[in-house]
Amino acid sequence: QVQLVESGGGVVQPGRSLRLSCAASGFIFSNYGMHWVRQAPGKGLEWVAVIWYDASKKYYADSVKGRFTISRDNSKNTLYLQMDSLRVEDTAVYYCVRIHVAAGGLGVDYWGQGTLVTVSS
Amino acid sequence: DIVMTQTPLSSPVTLGQPASISCRSSQSLVHSDGNTYLSWLQQRPGQPPRLLIYKISNRFSGVPDRFSGSGAGTDFTLKISRVEAEDVGVYYCMQATEFWTFGQGTKLEIK
Repeated sequence: QVQLVESGGGVVQPGRSLRLSCAASGFIFSNYGMHWVRQAPGKGLEWVAVIWYDASKKYYADSVKGRFTISRDNSKNTLYLQMDSLRVEDTAVYYCVRIHVAAGGLGVDYWGQGTLVTVSS
Repeated sequence: DIVMTQTPLSSPVTLGQPASISCRSSQSLVHSDGNTYLSWLQQRPGQPPRLLIYKISNRFSGVPDRFSGSGAGTDFTLKISRVEAEDVGVYYCMQATEFWTFGQGTKLEIK
């Protein structure tokens, strides 16, 4: 079965960096594009970034552009999110989400359990 | 950016009764490939979101048939034919036609 397991969250001071990881299993990771989506405490969902299956394309939300970098290692079945210059408003649960290839390749299907990032002094 | 607007934001429903959630996009969600990338997600309390419906009306694997989606262009609806206790949570519409954006969420609760 498809499994997405995020890790790397924690408490960090404003201006510092953090790297999130998402370990994928149960499917051929190198065939799927992947997203990061976040959810601030008690709030709705916000798309953060996407990376194509072969890393040929990457897109970012305006709120994180220039500060966050999405990447992947297909040999390790792992997705990453490097978060630099963190701000208090980046506090959220970060979800790793798979692109729904079977439905045309733009929607999403499976979600991880999420990892909490808290930015606070 | 495409803005997704859901109504209502809160929906108290009696068990066994139907429920309906609307989602409107600020522009047409018909993609150049002919598909309309409108999905519905369910987030139960304390859980990650889960895909229910994709491309307007297709139920995802394992989703009960009491859930159905409809609509076209800019107006879409999620219907639950008979609400069960396990349906409590927040429902989001999501568009993937032009980047990815979500509705604000609709909280479904039992009266």
